[in-house]
Amino acid sequence: GESVGLHLPTLSVQEGDNSIINCAYSNSASDYFIWYKQESGKGPQFIIDIRSNMDKRQGQRVTVLLNKTVKHLSLQIAATQPGDSAVYFCAEVNQAGTALIFGKGTTLSVSS
Amino acid sequence: KAGVTQTPRYLIKTRGQQVTLSCSPISGHRSVSWYQQTPGQGLQFLFEYFSETQRNKGNFPGRFSGRQFSNSRSEMNVSTLELGDSALYLCASSWGAGIGTDTQYFGPGTRLTVL
Repeated sequence: GESVGLHLPTLSVQEGDNSIINCAYSNSASDYFIWYKQESGKGPQFIIDIRSNMDKRQGQRVTVLLNKTVKHLSLQIAATQPGDSAVYFCAEVNQAGTALIFGKGTTLSVSS
Repeated sequence: KAGVTQTPRYLIKTRGQQVTLSCSPISGHRSVSWYQQTPGQGLQFLFEYFSETQRNKGNFPGRFSGRQFSNSRSEMNVSTLELGDSALYLCASSWGAGIGTDTQYFGPGTRLTVL
């Protein structure tokens, strides 16, 4: 079936380090991917998206990389701050194009 | 611009009861999607409404239903509640061009506890 997975359920980093959160997806036809951040007690917050005609997209302190050959997505956060501590989800559009499929999430913990 | 709002934020119900949750989208957004989030299953798509019509539906039983009003506000209803319905119910709004075309913005969710 369709699924979007993350390689690690938790990631702990020091403040100022760069963080890399990985995601593997299964729908080779998917052409739209999104990263969301969810803080405790809040709904998912849009971070950045990328379409399949790109392999890299940059935002403010974040970069998303897409490797369609191995169906891998990653989120890089530069100079990680304590406020970046949250659960990060990758999501893709399902085969029918009717819904977002979310991965299980990676919990990022940033210590100062 | 106000974000997506959901009411109530917390609900406690007992098995067999029914519940109605409300979602107000971002002004101008015409699509509202609902998701269920649990520790075991993660975020799962329930349904999407656009222009007062259900446009897409996930794989949930008929006890889960929804509707959308002319002002794009949406409600979802769960009848005959089961313990397994305990979850965070999230609403997301977008302009409505279609999932995968425009970004979905989420509300804070309604935490439903079924006893």
